[in-house]
Amino acid sequence: GAVVSQHPSWVICKSGTSVKIECRSLDFQATTMFWYRQFPKQSLMLMATSNEGSKATYEQGVEKDKFLINHASLTLSTLTVTSAHPEDSSFYICSARLAEGVYEQYFGPGTRLTVT
Amino acid sequence: GQNIDQPTEMTATEGAIVQINCTYQTSGFNGLFWYQQHAGEAPTFLSYNVLDGLEEKGRFSSFLSRSKGYSYLLLKELQMKDSASYLCAVSDGDYKLSFGAGTTVTVRA
Repeated sequence: GAVVSQHPSWVICKSGTSVKIECRSLDFQATTMFWYRQFPKQSLMLMATSNEGSKATYEQGVEKDKFLINHASLTLSTLTVTSAHPEDSSFYICSARLAEGVYEQYFGPGTRLTVT
Repeated sequence: GQNIDQPTEMTATEGAIVQINCTYQTSGFNGLFWYQQHAGEAPTFLSYNVLDGLEEKGRFSSFLSRSKGYSYLLLKELQMKDSASYLCAVSDGDYKLSFGAGTTVTVRA
């Protein structure tokens, strides 16, 4: 149980285009999902917290107009990287929290974004 | 904010024991997690400690001392497949996780 999927697993796009990444909880409903970014040989950095039916909460330094997050249902959250630039190339990982009062997060397999 | 420190790298021999330390200074605390991450993959859950003491789960054990802001992950009977990055993460009151930089463990034959 507690499986989280991401799609696509990798994507290459041209500079200036937008890319959408999907995060799904397959066998549970996730009230809260989280989006992380990880650069090579660095740890995970939280970008934003996504709550179903409400606006995402962004961490300091993360541009909300560039990284659009939509949490339309209890099983799906999407991250759209708008007007992507080479410096946005990174490993994007989502996670989901199982239920209220549960602190453990289950991680998706990640999406490798390369902007050329 | 959160400040989480762990060693950058550790090397050990197959069959040996390795202990990865993690110290933290946090504004809130709702538990400490250890995750394993292989290169290019997402983290996988290893352990969760919210009370002081030792939690044992097979070859892996995790210890927490809240008063000292200290935890360790103990890997016993090391196998080659244990070569990975081990991430210490602290949960604050808003369910967010703050991660340490990770410890790369290399297991040698």
